[in-house]
Amino acid sequence: KQEVTQIPAALSVPEGENLVLNCSFTDSAIYNLQWFRQDPGKGLTSLLLIQSSQREQTSGRLNASLDKSSGRSTLYIAASQPGDSATYLCAVRASGTYKYIFGTGTRLKVLA
Amino acid sequence: EPEVTQTPSHQVTQMGQEVILRCVPISNHLYFYWYRQILGQKVEFLVSFYNNEISEKSEIFDDQFSVERPDGSNFTLKIRSTKLEDSAMYFCASTMMGGREETQYFGPGTRLLVL
Repeated sequence: KQEVTQIPAALSVPEGENLVLNCSFTDSAIYNLQWFRQDPGKGLTSLLLIQSSQREQTSGRLNASLDKSSGRSTLYIAASQPGDSATYLCAVRASGTYKYIFGTGTRLKVLA
Repeated sequence: EPEVTQTPSHQVTQMGQEVILRCVPISNHLYFYWYRQILGQKVEFLVSFYNNEISEKSEIFDDQFSVERPDGSNFTLKIRSTKLEDSAMYFCASTMMGGREETQYFGPGTRLLVL
């Protein structure tokens, strides 16, 4: 059964820092992995999607990497800003299924 | 930019009552999903829907739950007889599916409180 874990659970950093959020999954037979952002009381916004054949994806200050064999993905945020404060979720879609399994998230606070 | 919409934003109901949560997915999307998030817990997959039928469902999605796409635009989740433990945020999502278009677009959610 696929399990998705995210560490750290919470992170507080000063503005301008570069930071790394981690996601690990137990079954490497995945179809793709998505990183989402969730603001309090709101829906999820997809940030990056990495197909199983890819090793990384970039969008602006965000870079996500995928190491399928070791069951890990990282989300790198460059030059963090207070507006980046949110919960970041990773979700894995296993091969042969339609469903996404979510991690518990990392709650990020960027201090001005 | 097109977006997924959900109504109502909040619903309070009595245990045992039926509720219908409504979603309007993005118009050219083909796959539709319901997820739920109990307060402080993970987002959990409930069901996926394609070509007017359920393509996959989780263990949570028992006989009390049903989904429908009644008119080609709305996508509904019905809970027949609500229980206290159904209290959660329910999210609808849609996607084109297939390569770069597989990004899931989520609605803002419906917060359901069962008393």
